[in-house]
Amino acid sequence: GESVGLHLPTLSVQEGDNSIINCAYSNSASDYFIWYKQESGKGPQFIIDIRSNMDKRQGQRVTVLLNKTVKHLSLQIAATQPGDSAVYFCAENLTKTGANSKLTFGKGITLSVRP
Amino acid sequence: ETGVTQTPRHLVMGMTNKKSLKCEQHLGHNAMYWYKQSAKKPLELMFVYNFKEQTENNSVPSRFSPECPNSSHLFLHLHTLQPEDSALYLCASSHDVMEPGQKVGELFFGEGSRLTVL
Repeated sequence: GESVGLHLPTLSVQEGDNSIINCAYSNSASDYFIWYKQESGKGPQFIIDIRSNMDKRQGQRVTVLLNKTVKHLSLQIAATQPGDSAVYFCAENLTKTGANSKLTFGKGITLSVRP
Repeated sequence: ETGVTQTPRHLVMGMTNKKSLKCEQHLGHNAMYWYKQSAKKPLELMFVYNFKEQTENNSVPSRFSPECPNSSHLFLHLHTLQPEDSALYLCASSHDVMEPGQKVGELFFGEGSRLTVL
């Protein structure tokens, strides 16, 4: 079946380094992708999104890259800080269905920032 | 604060108990969701309500019964649960996806209700 997955379960980075979190998706029809961050004891929080007609989108210290050819999504965090420690989820959506209920989440990857 | 409030934050119940989880959103959204989050598994969509009408029931067992009295409140009634139902139950809300100018897919989550079934 269709699935959204993450390549690695955990990622440990040094404070100040850049982080790259990768995600593979399998539904080639998906046209909208989102990254969520979930800190301990909290619900997931929207970070950044990208539509399928784009291959890159930048936010504050975060960049999302989309490679539709290989169905790959990545989240880059510049100058990683301790506050970036969390579980990160990628999600895909098929917006023509007209409902957020078609949002499919990946399993999540834990980012741990070493001081 | 995300504008979505869930109570209780923690709940322990026996398999014969009846309890309810409550969710309230102050964001003016029209869509509300229940998700189940278990360890090492992706977020599982349970129910979707749009303008108080249930639009999605993702093959959820009948021991979970949702209720949406208005666009700001969502309940999940629990009865005769099983130990494997122990999980974090997350409520979320969003704009109606058909409204122009809204970010498609931006769900606002509450902090969750941690449920333990003994």
